[in-house]
Amino acid sequence: NAGVTQTPKFQVLKTGQSMTLQCAQDMNHEYMSWYRQDPGMGLRLIHYSVGAGITDQGEVPNGYNVSRSTTEDFPLRLLSAAPSQTSVYFCASSYNRGGNSPLHFGNGTRLTVT
Amino acid sequence: AQTVTQSQPEMSVQEAETVTLSCTYDTSESDYYLFWYKQPPSRQMILVIRQEAYKQQNATENRFSVNFQKAAKSFSLKISDSQLGDAAMYFCAYRSSQGGSEKLVFGKGTKLTVNP
Repeated sequence: NAGVTQTPKFQVLKTGQSMTLQCAQDMNHEYMSWYRQDPGMGLRLIHYSVGAGITDQGEVPNGYNVSRSTTEDFPLRLLSAAPSQTSVYFCASSYNRGGNSPLHFGNGTRLTVT
Repeated sequence: AQTVTQSQPEMSVQEAETVTLSCTYDTSESDYYLFWYKQPPSRQMILVIRQEAYKQQNATENRFSVNFQKAAKSFSLKISDSQLGDAAMYFCAYRSSQGGSEKLVFGKGTKLTVNP
């Protein structure tokens, strides 16, 4: 199994550009989520989904959109990139929506907005 | 809202020694789940250990064990016989068992250095 696959690994954008970070999992997990990691801030939840067609906002959703048309895929869209969105982004999934089911993480995308 | 605090931004340990990383959390709930994740320089997030709050017995995974003190809301990670490969950022995380419990709340992390 590939687990959680994120693409690209690195990306540089200019302010105002848009892009989509891709995330796919092959474990048939219900729950998928996006986090951003900034120095000294830990991981903060951007958006999450508990199943196909269902998404909700996390702690820091502004400037990001998501959709979940299939169980496998959960793309994160930056509509108009800003320097404040420079960060490392992680996609994560788990078997069910709660409990002790651990999150499985992708390898992250390092995004720089100039 | 629940919060997770890791009070040690950095720690160091000699190879083969034991080190304890601290984590405290704030919650009004009685049932929840706690996790420790490791992030080596490769950036990958790796689950180290997990604990269910309803279990009194502390979780153990090989050289990794926790000291879970529910009343004190403390969840420390002990690494025994430290190895060079243990050098990483370590994150403590909390997950509620109630509705909306999909979210993991992370602490800010502790950077562990292992000295040869």
